[in-house]
Amino acid sequence: AQSVTQLGSHVSVSEGALVLLRCNYSSSVPPYLFWYVQYPNQGLQLLLKYTSAATLVKGINGFEAEFKKSETSFHLTKPSAHMSDAAEYFCAVSFFGNEKLTFGTGTRLTIIP
Amino acid sequence: GAGVSQSPSNKVTEKGKDVELRCDPISGHTALYWYRQRLGQGLEFLIYFQGNSAPDKSGLPSDRFSAERTGESVSTLTIQRTQQEDSAVYLCASSPTGTGINYGYTFGSGTRLTVV
Repeated sequence: AQSVTQLGSHVSVSEGALVLLRCNYSSSVPPYLFWYVQYPNQGLQLLLKYTSAATLVKGINGFEAEFKKSETSFHLTKPSAHMSDAAEYFCAVSFFGNEKLTFGTGTRLTIIP
Repeated sequence: GAGVSQSPSNKVTEKGKDVELRCDPISGHTALYWYRQRLGQGLEFLIYFQGNSAPDKSGLPSDRFSAERTGESVSTLTIQRTQQEDSAVYLCASSPTGTGINYGYTFGSGTRLTVV
């Protein structure tokens, strides 16, 4: 069955350090992949998406993600964390081009000053 | 409007009561989605409207849940005889026709439902 897994419900990094949030999917065909961010008391905001074009995808706020078919992964990275990056991050997948998204359970990112 | 608007932002209800949650999509967006986010969990798909097509109700968890949409505008999610496990944030999203998976979805801020 198709699924998406986010490893680590909580991640803490120091300001200026590398941010790495992990997302793996399970599917027989490459899906469409998304990362969303949710700031406190706000709706989900699209960070970036992979839709079968370039495997390295750049998004807003300095984030990027790389689609690795061999690893069935779509990890989110940012070279240098900023205090404003503190939020909850969700990986989401569309299987077979379906309009319905399957979301991971989310990773809460905390930035340590 | 400029974004997806949901009301109320917070709702506290007694177990067994019915509740209605409202979503105003972005003007011109033909696709509308409802998701549920329970504490510590990911978003669960509930229902999807696309224009005048029959809605995809495959995510509704029980017959206590129903949703309607008038044309390509407002949608209402109704939960009858609420139970404590219905406590969650209910999120609405919209997208232009058939482009959600290509361009992403615009989400509202959600309605936090607490059943006591």
